[in-house]
Formats: sequence, structure tokens, C-alpha cells
Amino acid sequence: QKEVEQNSGPLSVPEGAIASLNCTYSDRGSQSFFWYRQYSGKSPELIMSIYPNGDKEDGRFTAQLNKASQYVSLLIRDSQPSDSATYLCAVNPRDDYKLSFGAGTTVTVRA
Amino acid sequence: DVKVTQSSRYLVKRTGEKVFLECVQDMDHENMFWYRQDPGLGLRLIYFSYDVKMKEKGDIPEGYSVSREKKERFSLILESASTNQTSMYLCASKVATNTGELFFGEGSRLTVL
Repeated sequence: QKEVEQNSGPLSVPEGAIASLNCTYSDRGSQSFFWYRQYSGKSPELIMSIYPNGDKEDGRFTAQLNKASQYVSLLIRDSQPSDSATYLCAVNPRDDYKLSFGAGTTVTVRA
Repeated sequence: DVKVTQSSRYLVKRTGEKVFLECVQDMDHENMFWYRQDPGLGLRLIYFSYDVKMKEKGDIPEGYSVSREKKERFSLILESASTNQTSMYLCASKVATNTGELFFGEGSRLTVL
């Protein structure tokens, strides 16, 4: 079983809609979770960090953690064409310095 | 402005050649990482270093070695390149906590013929 799993997509949403991405992880002891965005031909950049003390909202992005079910979600509200990218879920499974990444979900926002 | 610089964006090498991928960061980060990224497989950790001259194997270290002689520089070495090492290689760095953000370089696309 992979440590971090995501649906590869592609996820296609119309402009202005909500894009919903999910990620499941295998290590129940994981404490920190991250969403990275990667534009085509570019390197990943951090957009959200989530710790087990509640959901997090940053502008149009909301990250939610469900520890009981071991999944992390990312909602993109009012999706824009500039949100078209691959979104990588990352988990710190052993509370050390290494992150485990999912394969990523590719999102396409249709104008 | 934080920066992680990888020496080569594109390389083409022949099977059996020795390949060096260099990475330099200017943020005084303790931790540095080498990942490879392949379609459908995501980012896989090859090696990481938590301090100068310290290194630890990641999930797929076979066929690779690393060197960290100075804090700012982390090198990935392919002793004898093979075609299955054709990939995008990403270097990253972060501060020495388990919650720090990873900063990535632009990537080095290696093709082994």
C-alpha cells in the first residue's frame, strides 16, 4: 500500500466552480500534511500546510483533515484558469524531516 | 528571495556514463533532498541530508549516491547511468524541523540513451 494516494485525474471543472481534491494516507500517526501546486514544466510550490488542530482556509483554498478516516482534502472555490495545475498531497508519516508525496491530481479549469 | 539552483536543466547521457547533478541553496537550510519525478509515480525520495556530511537513504537509493561537503551544496551522483534513470530530478531544501516548507529547484531533466 502506498503511503499517500491521490486520484490522478484529470479533474476538469468549469470556471467559477468548486474543485475538490482528496488524498488518503496510510500511517495513522502522521502529524503534518501539505498541499503543493505544480504548474506544467515547473517545480512544486507549497500552497497549504495542515496540522491536526483544525481546517485551514487561505483565500479561495480550504484544506480539511479527517484523522479518523485518514484523508486530507483541498477545496478550490471560484476556480480560475490559473488554478490549472497538478496538486500534490504530502504527508509527514513519521514526524521526521521526510515527506511522502502522492502522485498528484491534475486539475483543468475550463474558461 | 529564496533560491535553490540546480546546475543543469537538461542533460543527455549515454548508458554507463557517470553523471553529477549539483544543487545549491542560499537559505542556510540544514536539510536537503533529492527526488525524482516520473509520470504516475509522483515524487520519490532518493536521498536526503540533514546536515553537512550526513546523508540518509530515501525510498529509492539504488544506483545513486550523494555528497554534501558544504551546507549549501548537495550533489547527486549516478555512478553508471542506465536508461531506467531517465527522469526529472528535483532538489529541495528546508529548515531542520518537521513542519518546514520544502523549497524546490527548477529540476534537471536527465535522458539516458
